[in-house]
Amino acid sequence: AQTVTQSQPEMSVQEAETVTLSCTYDTSESDYYLFWYKQPPSRQMILVIRQEAYKQQNATENRFSVNFQKAAKSFSLKISDSQLGDAAMYFCAYRSASRDDKIIFGKGTRLHILP
Amino acid sequence: DAGVTQSPTHLIKTRGQQVTLRCSPKSGHDTVSWYQQALGQGPQFIFQYYEEEERQRGNFPDRFSGHQFPNYSSELNVNALLLGDSALYLCASSLVITGTEKYFGPGTRLTVT
Repeated sequence: AQTVTQSQPEMSVQEAETVTLSCTYDTSESDYYLFWYKQPPSRQMILVIRQEAYKQQNATENRFSVNFQKAAKSFSLKISDSQLGDAAMYFCAYRSASRDDKIIFGKGTRLHILP
Repeated sequence: DAGVTQSPTHLIKTRGQQVTLRCSPKSGHDTVSWYQQALGQGPQFIFQYYEEEERQRGNFPDRFSGHQFPNYSSELNVNALLLGDSALYLCASSLVITGTEKYFGPGTRLTVT
């Protein structure tokens, strides 16, 4: 069975600084997707960034980028120029590439932005 | 373009009762999945509905059941509520052809007393 592990329950970063959230996963599959979701206090789960396992290039979305290390089964999220609105729970998630399979989430990392 | 909507927002029930939660998928989506998120945890997959049938199921007891209607909206039913069923219930919708992108609703907070 696939598992997703986030070893940092909480992190803090100064506004405008850069922070990296860690995630490792375990799978025997070769084709899958990895995600980072943001869940602010409003509870709405928002997709931040997605990575296809077959792509070697790391995904980037504006201030958000990932470091995808397939062999090491590592998938970290880097947030540059942190903003107060980035404060939220961040979940790393895995999904098999098979047809619309379930998403497996980590336990999350709570990110605090210090003004 | 309306996103995923869920009702009600909050719900308080007594142990042993039954509850029904509702979800309307994002416009154009045909697949609905339900997740349970206990406090301080990541969401756990309950089941997925497509073409009005349960297609996949997570490790949840039969007390959890669902339904999908012809307009793609969905209900989650939980019978014989336990204190441990207290959680945020999230609905996610997607289009089966593309499948990758799932859009989540704001959730229903269920409290069982």
